[in-house]
Amino acid sequence: EAAVTQSPRNKVTVTGGNVTLSCRQTNSHNYMYWYRQDTGHGLRLIHYSYGAGNLQIGDVPDGYKATRTTQEDFFLLLELASPSQTSLYFCASSEAGANERLFFGHGTKLSVL
Amino acid sequence: TQTVSQSDAHVTVFEGDSVELRCNYSYGGSIYLSWYIQHHGRGLQFLLKYYSGNPVVQGVNGFEAEFSKSDSSFHLRKASVHWSDSAVYFCAASITMGYKLTFGTGTSLLVDP
Repeated sequence: EAAVTQSPRNKVTVTGGNVTLSCRQTNSHNYMYWYRQDTGHGLRLIHYSYGAGNLQIGDVPDGYKATRTTQEDFFLLLELASPSQTSLYFCASSEAGANERLFFGHGTKLSVL
Repeated sequence: TQTVSQSDAHVTVFEGDSVELRCNYSYGGSIYLSWYIQHHGRGLQFLLKYYSGNPVVQGVNGFEAEFSKSDSSFHLRKASVHWSDSAVYFCAASITMGYKLTFGTGTSLLVDP
């Protein structure tokens, strides 16, 4: 079973704060994704990547940066956090894009006060 | 672009009942459809997928889904639910060879023991 590990599990910050969410997958998957989950919206794609050094814009990218430093590691950066970014964030990976099953991490709950 | 709609936000059934969770999509071309389950406090887990061939696909734990091109639907069914099936269920869609998986807003299934 593919393993996707997110850290931290919970994070509280203040408006204007700087936050980095981390994700590591250990199955050499090419694709990695960052989603946010909000009531009434389901999961919405923020950014994704198909390899180290690659970054693609998702559907709700405003206010977020991301970086794929290695095959295993994908980071989501909020440089000036706002209360609207309070959400549950999920990282996922897949072998070869969205036509393959995605493996999800347990999520990071972020609160921006 | 593809869209996914799940019309029922909440469904409640008794243990042993059958259940159908509805999913409709809109996209004019070939589409890849899948269902995921999210237990409380966990990440999403893959249940099943459809791309072509037999419109009825089997998944884990007795779940199956049926694709209908005429109805633009991909409903999830289970003949006899167990209390452990209580979770949120997400339908998702991607275009062929696509990189983005688009999720519906989810259906919360509560199984009364």
